[in-house]
Amino acid sequence: GAGVSQSPRYKVAKRGQDVALRCDPISGHVSLFWYQQALGQGPEFLTYFQNEAQLDKSGLPSDRFFAERPEGSVSTLKIQRTQQEDSAVYLCASSLVRRQETQYFGPGTRLLVL
Amino acid sequence: KNEVEQSPQNLTAQEGEFITINCSYSVGISALHWLQQHPGGGIVSLFMLSSGKKKHGRLIATINIQEKHSSLHITASHPRDSAVYICAAQRGAQKLVFGQGTRLTINP
Repeated sequence: GAGVSQSPRYKVAKRGQDVALRCDPISGHVSLFWYQQALGQGPEFLTYFQNEAQLDKSGLPSDRFFAERPEGSVSTLKIQRTQQEDSAVYLCASSLVRRQETQYFGPGTRLLVL
Repeated sequence: KNEVEQSPQNLTAQEGEFITINCSYSVGISALHWLQQHPGGGIVSLFMLSSGKKKHGRLIATINIQEKHSSLHITASHPRDSAVYICAAQRGAQKLVFGQGTRLTINP
């Protein structure tokens, strides 16, 4: 029951294919975050959940991106009709409660869209 | 202009040197985070601070709220410190705005 886990670790998709990325947060962590990190850049915020509620999705780049956390634990980030510009590392992080808490990051899913 | 700027972008030093990485931010924050990212992607939180100074082993982080500036220092640097160091400004509840990272290489 260690840290945040993500699967798959690597995903190669053909342009136009749909993908689903999974995040298992640390048990009991209320907050869950998704970030996108392009090569050579810092991560960028995508969306934030508190339990099952998606409180902020302002960072999702288009309506092809969709995230859910239906039971307040595992989360899935889905990308529909993938494009080459979606190639990045997708990072998930979780934290215990709402404010000023350390975020614990997963290893990321490296997505390559051909 | 990015909301969070780091300098330098790349830093190479010899083992034992004192390292300083700087972070400036242009937005109001509730906290400032320093993170370490090793090759392969894993990110580890080093510090979260909202004022003053924190120390953990050979790592020291400082923040000046008035000047909107933070620094990360590494004393007696070692090759295992080689990584990307990322500064992130916490806005609101927990949303983080990241700098672009500083790639640190410590040569033996």
